[in-house]
Amino acid sequence: QLQLQESGPGLVKPSETLSLTCTVSGGSVSSGYYHWAWIRQPPGKGLEWIGNIYYSGGTYCNPSLRSRVTMSVDTSKNQFSLKLSSVTVADTAVYYCARVAVGTERWFDPWGQGTLVTVSS
Amino acid sequence: SYKLTQPPSVSVSPGQTASITCSGDKLDDKYVCWYQQKPGQSPVLVIYQHTKRPSGIPERFSGSNSGNTATLTISGTQAMDEADYYCQAWDSNTAVFGGGTKLTVL
Repeated sequence: QLQLQESGPGLVKPSETLSLTCTVSGGSVSSGYYHWAWIRQPPGKGLEWIGNIYYSGGTYCNPSLRSRVTMSVDTSKNQFSLKLSSVTVADTAVYYCARVAVGTERWFDPWGQGTLVTVSS
Repeated sequence: SYKLTQPPSVSVSPGQTASITCSGDKLDDKYVCWYQQKPGQSPVLVIYQHTKRPSGIPERFSGSNSGNTATLTISGTQAMDEADYYCQAWDSNTAVFGGGTKLTVL
């Protein structure tokens, strides 16, 4: 059974770069049948898609975040990562990673447990 | 940018049918997914490709999509179905989520 686990600092200072890693177990990030996603949820608010990456390193991102987002994949460690630069308090959220089934349609399943990142000085 | 609109809250009595709507321009041209999120937990996919249920999702969950509105229907609603529900679709290679609907079973 596929499992995803987010990891990274829980506290980031304003203007710095948020860095998170998602470790995949029970499956391979090298699979051509799936993409891998980052999604966030500010406290008490709804879900916001950040972007997807696939095994070759190709990415597509939310236009509202594109200029600050960098994603990468490490097939040797079965991980993929997110960097979000120039963070502000508005970037405080629970960050989830998820697998994306691709084909005629895409859906997010399963999701990791999420990790809370707080932006504060 | 594309927008999906959901009612903030829906209430239903146990055993009755709950319907949660999701509206967007020409939504029936897109595939809609639905996610359930219980307090303190990660979202779980309950419907994909308009009407399909992942393994392990009860048959009481169903989906439909017509015109500008997609609907998640929960038949015979149980207390365990109380949660936030989010619709999601793709537009121009961008994933869009609705604002979420809090389902209260009372």
